[in-house]
Amino acid sequence: AQTVTQSQPEMSVQEAETVTLSCTYDTSESDYYLFWYKQPPSRQMILVIRQEAYKQQNATENRFSVNFQKAAKSFSLKISDSQLGDAAMYFCAYRSPNTNAGKSTFGDGTTLTVKP
Amino acid sequence: GAVVSQHPSRVICKSGTSVKIECRSLDFQATTMFWYRQFPKQSLMLMATSNEGSKATYEQGVEKDKFLINHASLTLSTLTVTSAHPEDSSFYICSADLSGRGTDTQYFGPGTRLTVL
Repeated sequence: AQTVTQSQPEMSVQEAETVTLSCTYDTSESDYYLFWYKQPPSRQMILVIRQEAYKQQNATENRFSVNFQKAAKSFSLKISDSQLGDAAMYFCAYRSPNTNAGKSTFGDGTTLTVKP
Repeated sequence: GAVVSQHPSRVICKSGTSVKIECRSLDFQATTMFWYRQFPKQSLMLMATSNEGSKATYEQGVEKDKFLINHASLTLSTLTVTSAHPEDSSFYICSADLSGRGTDTQYFGPGTRLTVL
């Protein structure tokens, strides 16, 4: 079974600085999808970024970018120019079309605090 | 992105009663919806996968007779917590995607906070 590990339960960053959240996963699949979701205090899950495993290029969305290392099974999220609104719990997720009936496997989450 | 709604957002009920939570995909048809349970500051725990027109698939340890799921249309899935007890108090989240093939982004509802007295 696939597993997703987020080794940082909590992280903090100064406003306007850069922070990197780590995520590693274990799979024997070659075709899969990786996601970062943000869950603010409202608890609404929001998609931050998505990466297809077959794409070598790292996904970016404005201030958010990933460092996808397929061989190392690592998928870290970099937040640049951190803003107060970035404070939330962040979940890394794995999804495969070929196994697990399309279900997602989530990491335990990283709580990000942004200091003014 | 696609929009998924949940109703109600909060519900308080007495022990022994049943509660129904609705999950709707507002601007797309979802062949598959997922139901999660989340405790404070913890990850999402998948309860079941709901497929339109067929029986839901429950995760190990989830009582199918207690958590009834009905996916009657391509835009609506319901979760009914039957004979609720205080230990069922939690935050319930649904998600939906276009195909359920595991290639699409999941879109999440805003969640329902259930409190059982």
